[in-house]
Amino acid sequence: KNEVEQSPQNLTAQEGEFITINCSYSVGISALHWLQQHPGGGIVSLFMLSSGKKKHGRLIATINIQEKHSSLHITASHPRDSAVYICAVGGSQGNLIFGKGTKLSVKP
Amino acid sequence: DGGITQSPKYLFRKEGQNVTLSCEQNLNHDAMYWYRQDPGQGLRLIYYSQIVNDFQKGDIAEGYSVSREKKESFPLTVTSAQKNPTAFYLCASSIYWPNTEAFFGQGTRLTVV
Repeated sequence: KNEVEQSPQNLTAQEGEFITINCSYSVGISALHWLQQHPGGGIVSLFMLSSGKKKHGRLIATINIQEKHSSLHITASHPRDSAVYICAVGGSQGNLIFGKGTKLSVKP
Repeated sequence: DGGITQSPKYLFRKEGQNVTLSCEQNLNHDAMYWYRQDPGQGLRLIYYSQIVNDFQKGDIAEGYSVSREKKESFPLTVTSAQKNPTAFYLCASSIYWPNTEAFFGQGTRLTVV
């Protein structure tokens, strides 16, 4: 079993829809990261959180430490949101453990 | 602007040749990392460096080597001993180890033919 599981693996949405991507983990963590990878390959850090909720524009990230679960929400989705979204957790050794990513495609 | 620069973006090499991927950062970060990404898999840690002149093996270090002679630079050499070198390679840095927010480069896609 992977230490970091994301769902769904692939997601297609219509422009304007509310989107949720889930991340569950099985290891103790210091922090959880949400990352965005565009088709060119570069990765951008969206959020780093260890409790509660963070919001940046149309993006919202939540984490439930007791349930070892985090969600990334996108409100009023847009085609430019199309990307791979990656969940990563800070492991006990100081490294990052990555999920396999969720490929999001938003159709106009 | 501060950031991480990886070069080149695309790299082709013949089997059996060593190749070095460049990673430079001007963020004044102590910690730097090299990850490998394969289709359908999460990023995997190859090597990391907490400070200049020091580095440690990650989960998949076999067939790779690194150096950290300067704070700004953390080059990765893919040697002929790496059995399956074709992959996407990402460099990252963070202020210190253990990592806080990590900043990533744009990646280098290596194809060995």
